[in-house]
Amino acid sequence: GAVVSQHPSWVICKSGTSVKIECRSLDFQATTMFWYRQFPKQSLMLMATSNEGSKATYEQGVEKDKFLINHASLTLSTLTVTSAHPEDSSFYICSASSGDETQYFGPGTRLLVL
Amino acid sequence: GEDVEQSLFLSVREGDSSVINCTYTDSSSTYLYWYKQEPGAGLQLLTYIFSNMDMKQDQRLTVLLNKKDKHLSLRIADTQTGDSAIYFCAESKNQAGTALIFGKGTTLSVSS
Repeated sequence: GAVVSQHPSWVICKSGTSVKIECRSLDFQATTMFWYRQFPKQSLMLMATSNEGSKATYEQGVEKDKFLINHASLTLSTLTVTSAHPEDSSFYICSASSGDETQYFGPGTRLLVL
Repeated sequence: GEDVEQSLFLSVREGDSSVINCTYTDSSSTYLYWYKQEPGAGLQLLTYIFSNMDMKQDQRLTVLLNKKDKHLSLRIADTQTGDSAIYFCAESKNQAGTALIFGKGTTLSVSS
């Protein structure tokens, strides 16, 4: 089946630094990638939709200047959390779709901002 | 209100059947999904159903869809301890390839 990887799987950083998270589709071309955020014991909340070669579409309330998304190729999307603060600590999950009804999720990246 | 609602917790004994329920509000949803999340891990797609179907069976999993009531259920037959996880119901808003709207998840606890 289709595999989506994320790197790193976990990261600890100091407040004020930037963190980049990669999402890769390993065996298929992802025309669309999605970034979700999950707080403990909560559901996944969509942050943004990323289409290859175009600007990401952000959900209401998500700061595009804080969460920079780049989808430079059909197999890679990156999420950069800029000037991270403790409230950005969360579990970030990406998913990838080749345009059909199935989305494949990455294993998630746990971010802890001290 | 929430687009997708689920009960938060279900406890069953090993070998019993588990039924996890979900309701959604958007009648235009085209696909409905069930995902499984084990502690500290990402989401694993279990199964999905197209909105014009009533039922889908895949080994121990049976999905029932009542489109009139906007009710979706996941039945796990012969539940095992390895089935203990959080199960998320999700809907696809408009068409394939669009973002999913998730419920808050149902924590399934299986005791031996």
